[in-house]
Amino acid sequence: DAKTTQPNSMESNEEEPVHLPCNHSTISGTDYIHWYRQLPSQGPEYVIHGLTSNVNNRMASLAIAEDRKSSTLILHRATLRDAAVYYCILRVWGYGQNFVFGPGTRLSVLP
Amino acid sequence: DSGVTQTPKHLITATGQRVTLRCSPRSGDLSVYWYQQSLDQGLQFLIQYYNGEERAKGNILERFSAQQFPDLHSELNLSSLELGDSALYFCASSTTGVRGNTIYFGEGSWLTVV
Repeated sequence: DAKTTQPNSMESNEEEPVHLPCNHSTISGTDYIHWYRQLPSQGPEYVIHGLTSNVNNRMASLAIAEDRKSSTLILHRATLRDAAVYYCILRVWGYGQNFVFGPGTRLSVLP
Repeated sequence: DSGVTQTPKHLITATGQRVTLRCSPRSGDLSVYWYQQSLDQGLQFLIQYYNGEERAKGNILERFSAQQFPDLHSELNLSSLELGDSALYFCASSTTGVRGNTIYFGEGSWLTVV
């Protein structure tokens, strides 16, 4: 699997937008960009994924660069409950492929 | 609730012992994944099964083994346990096709080896 690079940690103030970056310069054309997050003492949970176009769902937005070598997860209004480790993962389409998690970005949300 | 069920939630055992962790995937999911998470290692992929067959192998020790049964539940067997095996073990599942490109994690099984 192609590698991703994320900052180790980020801080945000409550109710402000958060932009979590991810670099994936070796991404291939069939790699989907996935984001998961892990709240303390819980299993990782799916946040969002996309291939080429920007994506929105109830949790977040995913902005994908035109060359697909980077992406940004956007939390529109951070809450204290968004404090978690956020993982950016590249995933090849289809079954039989493992998900490899890097160290992720630890997001702290300040009240 | 992700729909993935793991048992037991907590387990304390002695070095040298053997334990079995169980995972029931979400209804309809054919793939099961096992991960280990210790404090200093992050999430480590161990192994994946798809419809009863091993599909991918990660950093799984020879003392560890897994299988997926015809009813699609999976078990992770850990033997000759060492102190360093103390960790949170996660199971995850996914299906195939468009929806299958996402995996869902259980709440994990905390293993403490003393």
